[in-house]
Amino acid sequence: AQSVAQPEDQVNVAEGNPLTVKCTYSVSGNPYLFWYVQYPNRGLQFLLKYITGDNLVKGSYGFEAEFNKSQTSFHLKKPSALVSDSALYFCAVRGLERAGTALIFGKGTTLSVSS
Amino acid sequence: KAGVTQTPRYLIKTRGQQVTLSCSPISGHRSVSWYQQTPGQGLQFLFEYFSETQRNKGNFPGRFSGRQFSNSRSEMNVSTLELGDSALYLCASSLRQGTYEQYFGPGTRLTVT
Repeated sequence: AQSVAQPEDQVNVAEGNPLTVKCTYSVSGNPYLFWYVQYPNRGLQFLLKYITGDNLVKGSYGFEAEFNKSQTSFHLKKPSALVSDSALYFCAVRGLERAGTALIFGKGTTLSVSS
Repeated sequence: KAGVTQTPRYLIKTRGQQVTLSCSPISGHRSVSWYQQTPGQGLQFLFEYFSETQRNKGNFPGRFSGRQFSNSRSEMNVSTLELGDSALYLCASSLRQGTYEQYFGPGTRLTVT
């Protein structure tokens, strides 16, 4: 069975500092990996995805993520955090063990950026 | 291009009643997925439809059902509502399954009293 783990419930960062939100996954075969962000009282917004190719993926709002197959990780990063980045972040995985497997989300990590 | 729309946005129901939620995907998107979001359980996958066929189903009781129409619009139904069904129900659409990212609607906030 496929699964996603976000080991930190909350990450606190000062504005201007780099941020990392961690994600590890478990799937059979090659994974499709996604990051989403949710602002209060809103639906989820797509940030970026990894399908194949370069292990460093760039996405919206200056975010990027690094795929590490040996560590089965897909950590979200940003070189310089903004207060407006404060939100709930979700990692998600879809496996390829068979066609049409569901997209499974982690429990989410709350990012708090202080000014 | 218009985003994913969900109706109604807010709903209050009594235990034992049933409810139907509606989702209109982005134009051209043929895959629709439904999720339940609660503070305790997070985002839980309900089901996924593509070309009017249910492709995947999450671990929810049979009280939860859904369908997709030929125009890709989708509905989900919850019968015999329980207090624990109170949640934000999110619909997401994508071009197809697989590598395509999902675009989410604002959700329907269901409160069961």
